Amino acid sequence: DGGITQSPKYLFRKEGQNVTLSCEQNLNHDAMYWYRQDPGQGLRLIYYSQIVNDFQKGDIAEGYSVSREKKESFPLTVTSAQKNPTAFYLCASSILDTYSNQPQHFGDGTRLSIL
Amino acid sequence: AQKITQTQPGMFVQEKEAVTLDCTYDTSDQSYGLFWYKQPSSGEMIFLIYQGSYDEQNATEGRYSLNFQKARKSANLVISASQLGDSAMYFCAMRESYSGGGADGLTFGKGTHLIIQP
Repeated sequence: DGGITQSPKYLFRKEGQNVTLSCEQNLNHDAMYWYRQDPGQGLRLIYYSQIVNDFQKGDIAEGYSVSREKKESFPLTVTSAQKNPTAFYLCASSILDTYSNQPQHFGDGTRLSIL
Repeated sequence: AQKITQTQPGMFVQEKEAVTLDCTYDTSDQSYGLFWYKQPSSGEMIFLIYQGSYDEQNATEGRYSLNFQKARKSANLVISASQLGDSAMYFCAMRESYSGGGADGLTFGKGTHLIIQP
C-alpha cells in the first residue's frame, strides 16, 4: 500500500541532544512537509520541500533542520537549540502541480518528549 | 490576527443528527484553497474535503459537505447522519496563492473536538 511512514512512533530526548525523525513516502509525491502540533492546538509548519536538494523554512523553523537527498525521504532533526521540543510531529506529502490544490497526505506522527 | 478561526472548541451531538463545524478565514488573496481534516485520538490526519476559492458549487464527499460563503469568508463543514466513529478533532486549513504554483504549507485552525453520543 502507498503511504507515508514516520518513525519512531515515540522518541525521548535528553537535554542538549539532537534527534532525527524519519519520514519516508512511496506515493511518488514531489512535495513534503513537516508540522508540529502542541496539545489543544492546530498544526504549525516547520519546513517544506518541493524538490530534491531544496527546502524552505515554514513559520517555526528555528531549532530545526531538514534534508532532502532523495525524493521519498525528508528527515527532520530537532537540535539542542529548540528549547521546547516536546510535541507531536507530523510529516506530509502532496502532488505538486500548477494550482497546488491537491490535499496533503499525512503520516501517523512521532511523539517527542524530553527526559 | 488568526488566519483560520474555529470558534467551537468542543461539541456534543446525538448520533444520527447532522452537525455543522464552523470555520472562518482571513486572506487578501483571490486564489486560495480550503481543506478539512479529521484527527482521531490515534493522531493521524485524515483528509475529508476540499473547496477552491473559484469553485462555484459547494464541495461534497459522501456524508461531508462544505457550506462555502465566500463573501463572509466562511467554510463550514457539515456532517450528515453522524456516527459514533465521527468522534474526533476536526481541523479547517487554508493554502493561499496556489495559482502561482508551488506547494506552500497549510495554515490550520485550532480545531473542534466533536463527540458523538449514542
